[in-house]
Amino acid sequence: NAGVTQTPKFQVLKTGQSMTLQCAQDMNHEYMSWYRQDPGMGLRLIHYSVGAGITDQGEVPNGYNVSRSTTEDFPLRLLSAAPSQTSVYFCASSTLDPNTEAFFGQGTRLTVV
Amino acid sequence: GESVGLHLPTLSVQEGDNSIINCAYSNSASDYFIWYKQESGKGPQFIIDIRSNMDKRQGQRVTVLLNKTVKHLSLQIAATQPGDSAVYFCAENMSGYSTLTFGKGTMLLVSP
Repeated sequence: NAGVTQTPKFQVLKTGQSMTLQCAQDMNHEYMSWYRQDPGMGLRLIHYSVGAGITDQGEVPNGYNVSRSTTEDFPLRLLSAAPSQTSVYFCASSTLDPNTEAFFGQGTRLTVV
Repeated sequence: GESVGLHLPTLSVQEGDNSIINCAYSNSASDYFIWYKQESGKGPQFIIDIRSNMDKRQGQRVTVLLNKTVKHLSLQIAATQPGDSAVYFCAENMSGYSTLTFGKGTMLLVSP
């Protein structure tokens, strides 16, 4: 079982470059989300989606765009990378049942120089 | 990875000891709580959960206690092993759509 798959695992960008972090899940989960993890800050929610065609902002959405064209995929786009976006990014998925755990990918470590 | 552990509270125990990791949550309306374990270089992994209508739940070697009066959650790990060394996060659900809010985490270090 693949679960939640994130690509790439590592990425170095120059300031101002754009890129897309990919996330795919094979569990038919309606709910998907992106978090960033910084030292001492825990995981902070960037964007989330409750189904194809529906997205919403989390705690720290600025500088990031998302779309949800299929149930399986939830890409995160950085249009113009900044050093403040250096972080580890995690994608997660779950059912819409609020009393159920989220499943996480292995993370993407992004460095913006 | 290792950078996740910087500035985190750290609990150091000996192998075989019982460990207790604590978490204060923020919203009295939260009704679902989860403990996650994150090993170096990996994503968070589910350990155990508890709903607000319970005050204790047990798993294999782990117990979660919930005190709603003081908004406190704890994770007890029995007979701690070196493989338990990781960062542990509590998370709470404050909405109806599995939007989890995470605590800052505690690093558990287990010495052989």
